[in-house]
Amino acid sequence: AQTVTQSQPEMSVQEAETVTLSCTYDTSESDYYLFWYKQPPSRQMILVIRQEAYKQQNATENRFSVNFQKAAKSFSLKISDSQLGDAAMYFCAYRSASNSGYALNFGKGTSLLVTP
Amino acid sequence: KAGVTQTPRYLIKTRGQQVTLSCSPISGHRSVSWYQQTPGQGLQFLFEYFSETQRNKGNFPGRFSGRQFSNSRSEMNVSTLELGDSALYLCASSYRPGRNEKLFFGSGTQLSVL
Repeated sequence: AQTVTQSQPEMSVQEAETVTLSCTYDTSESDYYLFWYKQPPSRQMILVIRQEAYKQQNATENRFSVNFQKAAKSFSLKISDSQLGDAAMYFCAYRSASNSGYALNFGKGTSLLVTP
Repeated sequence: KAGVTQTPRYLIKTRGQQVTLSCSPISGHRSVSWYQQTPGQGLQFLFEYFSETQRNKGNFPGRFSGRQFSNSRSEMNVSTLELGDSALYLCASSYRPGRNEKLFFGSGTQLSVL
């Protein structure tokens, strides 16, 4: 089974600064998808960014970008120009590309605090 | 377009009771999956439904069951509730099952078992 590890339970960043959240995963598959989800106090999980393992280019969505290191099985999220609205729990997730099912395996999450 | 709707938002039950949670997916979405979120175990996959058929099931006891109706709405049921079933239950929908499909989550049902 694939496992996802987020080693930082909490992180703090000042407004307008940059922060990087870490994620590592364990898998024997070569084809898979990786995600970062944000969960604000409203509890709704919101997709931040998605990376396909067969693509070498790192995904980018506005202020959010990833550093995908397939050999190292590492998938970190960089948030640039942090805003107060970025404060939330962030979850890294893995999804197999096999047809047996598309369940997401989540890490335990990182709580991001943004200070003015 | 309305998002994924889960009802009720909050629920309090006692041990031994059973509970049914409801999820209405985004209009046009035919795939629904359920996740349990607890402080200790984090987010865990429960099951996935597509066209009224369960496609995949997580590692949960048989007390946890679900179904999907012809209009794609889904319900999950937990029988003989235990204290450890206290959790946030999240539902997610997508147009269809697929590795490249984007999941849209609801705000969850917070279940407390006393």
